[in-house]
Amino acid sequence: AQSVTQPDIHITVSEGASLELRCNYSYGATPYLFWYVQSPGQGLQLLLKYFSGDTLVQGIKGFEAEFKRSQSSFNLRKPSVHWSDAAEYFCAVVFTGRRALTFGSGTRLQVQP
Amino acid sequence: NAGVTQTPKFQVLKTGQSMTLQCAQDMNHNSMYWYRQDPGMGLRLIYYSASEGTTDKGEVPNGYNVSRLNKREFSLRLESAAPSQTSVYFCASLQTRGGRTDTQYFGPGTRLTVL
Repeated sequence: AQSVTQPDIHITVSEGASLELRCNYSYGATPYLFWYVQSPGQGLQLLLKYFSGDTLVQGIKGFEAEFKRSQSSFNLRKPSVHWSDAAEYFCAVVFTGRRALTFGSGTRLQVQP
Repeated sequence: NAGVTQTPKFQVLKTGQSMTLQCAQDMNHNSMYWYRQDPGMGLRLIYYSASEGTTDKGEVPNGYNVSRLNKREFSLRLESAAPSQTSVYFCASLQTRGGRTDTQYFGPGTRLTVL
């Protein structure tokens, strides 16, 4: 079955530290890849997306993600985390031949002062 | 543009009661979706509508029905609510570019509690 895995349920980083959130997906063909962020009690906001081309994509709020075909991964990174980045982050994939998103279970980010 | 709007924002039901969650989008998107979000499980697809007049089941359709009223509106109905349907429900619409899938835009969600 097609699936998306976010192996880290909860991550805590210090403000100013770098961040990497992991995402792996099943299936061989290159799908469409997304990262969304959800603040408490809020809806989902798109951070960035990858369809094709350059495997390093830039998003909003200083985030970037790198697609690695050989590892079926699409990890999210930020060089310096701000307290306002505390939220839940979801990796999502549109697998080939489908139009709906398949979501990972999410990673909750806590930022320490 | 308001984007994707949902009503109500909060709802408490008793087991066996029925209700309809409303969703509308003003972005002229063809495809619309209903997801539910439960702790530790991400969002799971309940139903979707690829275009006006069509609906299809997603991953967790049992206990739900949908209606694509027109291009703008896509409603989700719980005929006989159960405690297992306590969740946060999100509606989304899909932007396409050149006929290809692009970005889904989400509404603010409806928090439903079934007692």
